[in-house]
Amino acid sequence: DAGVTQSPTHLIKTRGQQVTLRCSPKSGHDTVSWYQQALGQGPQFIFQYYEEEERQRGNFPDRFSGHQFPNYSSELNVNALLLGDSALYLCASSSLFSVMGFDEQFFGPGTRLTVL
Amino acid sequence: GEDVEQSLFLSVREGDSSVINCTYTDSSSTYLYWYKQEPGAGLQLLTYIFSNMDMKQDQRLTVLLNKKDKHLSLRIADTQTGDSAIYFCAGDGSSNTGKLIFGQGTTLQVKP
Repeated sequence: DAGVTQSPTHLIKTRGQQVTLRCSPKSGHDTVSWYQQALGQGPQFIFQYYEEEERQRGNFPDRFSGHQFPNYSSELNVNALLLGDSALYLCASSSLFSVMGFDEQFFGPGTRLTVL
Repeated sequence: GEDVEQSLFLSVREGDSSVINCTYTDSSSTYLYWYKQEPGAGLQLLTYIFSNMDMKQDQRLTVLLNKKDKHLSLRIADTQTGDSAIYFCAGDGSSNTGKLIFGQGTTLQVKP
C-alpha cells in the first residue's frame, strides 16, 4: 500500500499565478481533506471532499477550490496566488464510516509551495 | 471556534521522560490526537484519546486528559534521539466532522 501520495513535491510560482496540487488517497479511503501548514505553524483545515462534493470548509477564501474524482483522488486549486499562500499543503485521507469509530486521517508528505 | 495552544520547544536528555502539554478552549471534541512530524514528512498519528477517558497508555506513550482544565498531555518514556520531531495536539471539534484543529506544535529536541 503506497499510502497517501501528493504531487508535486515542490513548486515555485509567482504572485497572481494559479496552481494545482494533487493527492491520491490511501487504498480503501473515500474522503480527502486538505490542510495548509505555514512555516512554524500547525496545519489549518482548508476543506474536505467526499463523494466528489465539498463536505466541509475551513476559513479560506474562494481562491481556494478543490475537486474529487470518481477514483477518490483530489486536486486543490489556488487562484491569484499571494505571497502569504507560501506553505506546505498537506492532503489527508480517511474513511468516512470508519469501523474504528473515529476518523483517523492519514497524511501525505505534502507539497511545498513557494510564491515569489 | 476552537483554539489549541502548545509550548513551542522542549529539550530533554536521551533516556529521560518528555512531557508535552496542550490546552484547548472548546470541550466539544470527541477525540483528541497527538501527531508527530519529522522533517520533510507528513504527520503521523501517534495516539488518540476518547474525550470521556482520563488516561491512555500505549507502550512508551501516556496521554492524560483533564477535561475540567481543558488540558491534554503526552508523556514519552525513555525518550530516544529518534523521538526528535515536532509534536502536534489536535481536536476534532465534534464527532466525525473530519476537521482537525491543530496546535502550533512543540519541537522536541533529544540530546544524546
